Amino acid sequence: EPEVTQTPSHQVTQMGQEVILRCVPISNHLYFYWYRQILGQKVEFLVSFYNNEISEKSEIFDDQFSVERPDGSNFTLKIRSTKLEDSAMYFCASSVSSGRLHEQFFGPGTRLTVL
Amino acid sequence: AQTVTQSQPEMSVQEAETVTLSCTYDTSESDYYLFWYKQPPSRQMILVIRQEAYKQQNATENRFSVNFQKAAKSFSLKISDSQLGDAAMYFCAYRSNFGNEKLTFGTGTRLTIIP
Repeated sequence: EPEVTQTPSHQVTQMGQEVILRCVPISNHLYFYWYRQILGQKVEFLVSFYNNEISEKSEIFDDQFSVERPDGSNFTLKIRSTKLEDSAMYFCASSVSSGRLHEQFFGPGTRLTVL
Repeated sequence: AQTVTQSQPEMSVQEAETVTLSCTYDTSESDYYLFWYKQPPSRQMILVIRQEAYKQQNATENRFSVNFQKAAKSFSLKISDSQLGDAAMYFCAYRSNFGNEKLTFGTGTRLTIIP
């Protein structure tokens, strides 16, 4: 069964460094999302992406964040200058459509640790 | 803005027994979806069951069923014949059906299965 994959599974970085989290959505899916989960807290929406542009973003998704679909398969989240509070689990999700039968499929996540 | 509340941070149940996880939500919309996601220790979220708000009939998926009370804005998950593999974090989530695909999650309920 097709799955959303994410790399790396764990990323450790120094505060102020740039990180890129990578996701490969399910191949026929057209809508892509990033969520994050700070340890012990709820999953929070960051951004949704469709047709090569952001369709919605949350207050968390400030100028330090960007998303890109550089080719036909990858979907990336870039954090330009990481802060300690960016430490979290980052989940990528994809869905085939936004219609009534919409379901978002989640990847296994990337644990980002900012030191 | 929509909010989702899960008032039970932790629940436990004896194997083979039935357990009910609570979820309430707040919205001014009339058309939306509600979901229960399971997040096992491996941390990939899996969709357990979904409910469309315009459907009065409660959704059922094998041992999982919901009690959807639209007027009360309540959406509980019942797990029958609990199994060890049901141990996980369970998240209730809301999605609007008005051009907005993001999921809004509750804080989760950690379910422990007692052998």
